[in-house]
Amino acid sequence: ETGVTQSPTHLIKTRGQQVTLRCSSQSGHNTVSWYQQALGQGPQFIFQYYREEENGRGNFPPRFSGLQFPNYSSELNVNALELDDSALYLCASRSSGGASYNEQFFGPGTRLTVL
Amino acid sequence: EDQVTQSPEALRLQEGESSSLNCSYTVSGLRGLFWYRQDPGKGPEFLFTLYSAGEEKEKERLKATLTKKESFLHITAPKPEDSATYLCAVGRRALTFGSGTRLQVQP
Repeated sequence: ETGVTQSPTHLIKTRGQQVTLRCSSQSGHNTVSWYQQALGQGPQFIFQYYREEENGRGNFPPRFSGLQFPNYSSELNVNALELDDSALYLCASRSSGGASYNEQFFGPGTRLTVL
Repeated sequence: EDQVTQSPEALRLQEGESSSLNCSYTVSGLRGLFWYRQDPGKGPEFLFTLYSAGEEKEKERLKATLTKKESFLHITAPKPEDSATYLCAVGRRALTFGSGTRLQVQP
């Protein structure tokens, strides 16, 4: 069973730039969520994708957007980067049915630094 | 709005010294309480899901319990490799996390 993978591992950008982060869900999982984790804090929910559509969003501005592809992989796009966007970005996947459908499994994350 | 508070923020134990971590939560309807372990610079690793008061789950030296207002993660005879941040979360589609408890187990 393949776990959740994310790329790249680390990324350095400057303020105002745009960034795309990628995630491959765990095999058998069709739902992907993205979280932002600032240093010393718990992860914060950004949004969730199911059947290639966003079906839940946290308190993040529209410059945070995403995509989900037919193979259930996903992208997180952030436009007009700000210094406060520096964080660990986590992708989590889960199945939409079965006894453990609520359990989300996380990838290793992408560390984004905005200078 | 769901809220999760974890205590203590940090905990230092000697190897073999058992203790408990606390997670207090406020939700409109509990759809699951989740415990994760996170090592520095890595993604959270799933440990347990609890759904109803009185439920308990165990894994090696860890046992999670749930009441209507809080959950405890009991660590029995911890080892240095148990050192990590332990995160508690509630929710279903969108998880709401606490800030975690940083556990350090010294040999």
